[in-house]
Amino acid sequence: EVQLVESGGGLIQPGGSLRLSCEASGFTFGHYWLHWVRQPPGKGLLWVSRVNSDGSKTDYADSVKGRFTISRDNAKNTLFLQMNSLRVEDTALYYCARETSGSGYYYDSWGQGTLVIVSS
Amino acid sequence: SSELTQALSVSVALGQTAKITCEEDNIGGKAVYWYQQRPGQAPVVVIYRDDNRPSGIPERFSGSNSGNTATLTISGAQAGDEADYYCQVWDNGMVFGGGTKLTVL
Repeated sequence: EVQLVESGGGLIQPGGSLRLSCEASGFTFGHYWLHWVRQPPGKGLLWVSRVNSDGSKTDYADSVKGRFTISRDNAKNTLFLQMNSLRVEDTALYYCARETSGSGYYYDSWGQGTLVIVSS
Repeated sequence: SSELTQALSVSVALGQTAKITCEEDNIGGKAVYWYQQRPGQAPVVVIYRDDNRPSGIPERFSGSNSGNTATLTISGAQAGDEADYYCQVWDNGMVFGGGTKLTVL
């Protein structure tokens, strides 16, 4: 069974930093592109970032470019999101999600999310 | 970059057909995906590449995509279908619609 378990969220002041982790199991981690998607409280889904299977290629939403860094450790089956210069508008539930392989650009597995609250 | 427009809410009587739309100029030229998100849960894909249903998704879920509108159709809506539904395309990043809250009356 595919499992994605996020951690690292919490309450942080504006301008601060957090590092999110997503531990994966139940599949060959190094074969998949992985993403971070966030959902502000009571609002819709917003794509944040993605990384390719070996970590050599990354993409970011304009809203986080230059502040967030996605990375992965294939030896530890773990995805990361380093978030710097956090803003109030970064408050959200952060999901890691696995991009499907071969059937198009969509997510076939999601974690349960980790909540980030940016507030003074 | 894509901007996908969805109605905020749709209501349907139990057992009737619900249609949830996702609009963008020439969306018919893109592959559209649909997710269901029940309260407090992560999203689940219910339709991929316009009209394909993943294993485990009931046959009452179907999709279409043409022109400026993609549509998710739920035939014979059940109480358990009450959820938020999001459309999604790929356009230099994953792009989601704003979501539609489906209420089953």
